[in-house]
Amino acid sequence: GQQVMQIPQYQHVQEGEDFTTYCNSSTTLSNIQWYKQRPGGHPVFLIQLVKSGEVKKQKRLTFQFGEAKKNSSLHITATQTTDVGTYFCAGPGANSKLTFGKGITLSVRP
Amino acid sequence: DVKVTQSSRYLVKRTGEKVFLECVQDMDHENMFWYRQDPGLGLRLIYFSYDVKMKEKGDIPEGYSVSREKKERFSLILESASTNQTSMYLCASSLLGLAGQETQYFGPGTRLLVL
Repeated sequence: GQQVMQIPQYQHVQEGEDFTTYCNSSTTLSNIQWYKQRPGGHPVFLIQLVKSGEVKKQKRLTFQFGEAKKNSSLHITATQTTDVGTYFCAGPGANSKLTFGKGITLSVRP
Repeated sequence: DVKVTQSSRYLVKRTGEKVFLECVQDMDHENMFWYRQDPGLGLRLIYFSYDVKMKEKGDIPEGYSVSREKKERFSLILESASTNQTSMYLCASSLLGLAGQETQYFGPGTRLLVL
């Protein structure tokens, strides 16, 4: 069935470095969502992208939907220790419900 | 703010016990979901419900059942707990919108240990 792929599952950066992660699908998506789960917490909705090529920003976070609506990226400028956590992308699955990627866990060295 | 609550943060049960995990949301959402989260496997959908007394199987329903007698409450039942059901269980809810476009709101999770 429809899957959204996130690779790698872990990434470590030095505080102050930029960070980019991607979410890929084999088929066109009607929309893509991003969630963040802090250590010990639960996933929290960050953003939804609907239009081809759409770019949205939240402070140091920039989200982009690909032109073909098959991929999305999350870019964090000048990472901080508050950015640690697991970032999930999610898109419509085979049963028309949201399907989550496996997530990427970001750690930041102070 | 949407609030999704789960009956327990931590639970320890023995193999073979019947386990009930309760989830309540206060925003009149039509959709409710149960996921389990395991390291390296992400979030896997167990069951979901889009209305009272309605339920649909997710990706991994085996060994689980659900109940939705009231709109705000969605229960996950492990009829006979097994050690491979040790996991973090997350409940979520959403409005009934365009399929696959609804934003989901998660509860704090229940970490279940089956001995």
